[in-house]
Amino acid sequence: NAGVTQTPKFQVLKTGQSMTLQCAQDMNHNSMYWYRQDPGMGLRLIYYSASEGTTDKGEVPNGYNVSRLNKREFSLRLESAAPSQTSVYFCASREDSGGYTFGSGTRLTVV
Amino acid sequence: LAKTTQPISMDSYEGQEVNITCSHNNIATNDYITWYQQFPSQGPRFIIQGYKTKVTNEVASLFIPADRKSSTLSLPRVSLSDTAVYYCLVGVLLFSGGYNKLIFGAGTRLAVHP
Repeated sequence: NAGVTQTPKFQVLKTGQSMTLQCAQDMNHNSMYWYRQDPGMGLRLIYYSASEGTTDKGEVPNGYNVSRLNKREFSLRLESAAPSQTSVYFCASREDSGGYTFGSGTRLTVV
Repeated sequence: LAKTTQPISMDSYEGQEVNITCSHNNIATNDYITWYQQFPSQGPRFIIQGYKTKVTNEVASLFIPADRKSSTLSLPRVSLSDTAVYYCLVGVLLFSGGYNKLIFGAGTRLAVHP
């Protein structure tokens, strides 16, 4: 019972490079989310997907794109990484009437 | 979305009961109150959720007064392993095919001492 799996766990990028963060859940949840967490702060919502085939912007979407590939997978792409995107990224999924299940996070450093 | 206010930090000792109060003056009729726990280097973990009065599970209790403008998370007999950040969130909980968009604040850093 894996829950929410994120890859990679750690990544260092140079400014201007691109990368995709992968997220997969095996709980058959409809909604999925991407958050970022900066040191000492709470989580901020980047994008979310209410169901397969739909995506919407959250609080801080600039510089990111997402793809809900299927019901299981929701990826986050940084097209041109900037130092301000250095953060810990969490993917989550949620059952319709319950709480979120979070992945273990991806620590991204942009130099 | 209703804004929440929590203490930035709290200290306690092993074996004590800890109560963390969250203020949410602008809570809407359809909003539920949810609490999460986060350990360092991990994602938040769901603790408890409620709408009114009292909810209890194997981990914690949640007290919500009649006006619902605040809520209190109660952790009985804390241990060192309860040292974590606790988040209070308020948002609509939609059923069956819906979604919600909970917003996290800075949370309360609880430190449990021997």
